[in-house]
Amino acid sequence: QKEVEQNSGPLSVPEGAIASLNCTYSDRGSQSFFWYRQYSGKSPELIMSIYSNGDKEDGRFTAQLNKASQYVSLLIRDSQPSDSATYLCAVKGTVSGNTPLVFGKGTRLSVIA
Amino acid sequence: GAGVSQSPRYKVAKRGQDVALRCDPISGHVSLFWYQQALGQGPEFLTYFQNEAQLDKSGLPSDRFFAERPEGSVSTLKIQRTQQEDSAVYLCASSFRQGAIDTIYFGEGSWLTVV
Repeated sequence: QKEVEQNSGPLSVPEGAIASLNCTYSDRGSQSFFWYRQYSGKSPELIMSIYSNGDKEDGRFTAQLNKASQYVSLLIRDSQPSDSATYLCAVKGTVSGNTPLVFGKGTRLSVIA
Repeated sequence: GAGVSQSPRYKVAKRGQDVALRCDPISGHVSLFWYQQALGQGPEFLTYFQNEAQLDKSGLPSDRFFAERPEGSVSTLKIQRTQQEDSAVYLCASSFRQGAIDTIYFGEGSWLTVV
């Protein structure tokens, strides 16, 4: 059974601070890693993808991957109230092809103005 | 349309009723996925199509759940004899390949409440 674990939160940070979201996964053969943002009542929206060890930065977002530790994280710099949402970590067995995404339960982030 | 379109957006069904949920993927997207998301949980995989072929249905929770994509575009998820535990959001996603990477896009979901 492939599992993706996240702390459900809520994680509360003040506006302007760095929010750090963490995720671990059980399948050592996983190749693709994603962070989705989901606002209440809305569908998941892809914000970051990462495929190799290290950091990947996109604007205020940085994804970090450590395959040896089976650990993925998302840092949000200069957090804004509009970042308040549930963040879903998802893992895929391959970079392309037919394997489905396996999601964690999500971490609820609350950015306090 | 520009995105994945799902209908109905909201459905209330009486226990025992059959329901059909429709997904219209992004034009040209070969791969189509159905996920079930219960309240407070992450999406859970139900089934996957590549064109009209259903390649993986390992996530369907029971034989009351059935999905089809007869012409390789629109897909329908059917739930027979609905039960209260079927209450969830049903998310459809489609994907395309850019280089060696598949990018997955979700629809807004169909919210099913069984009473």
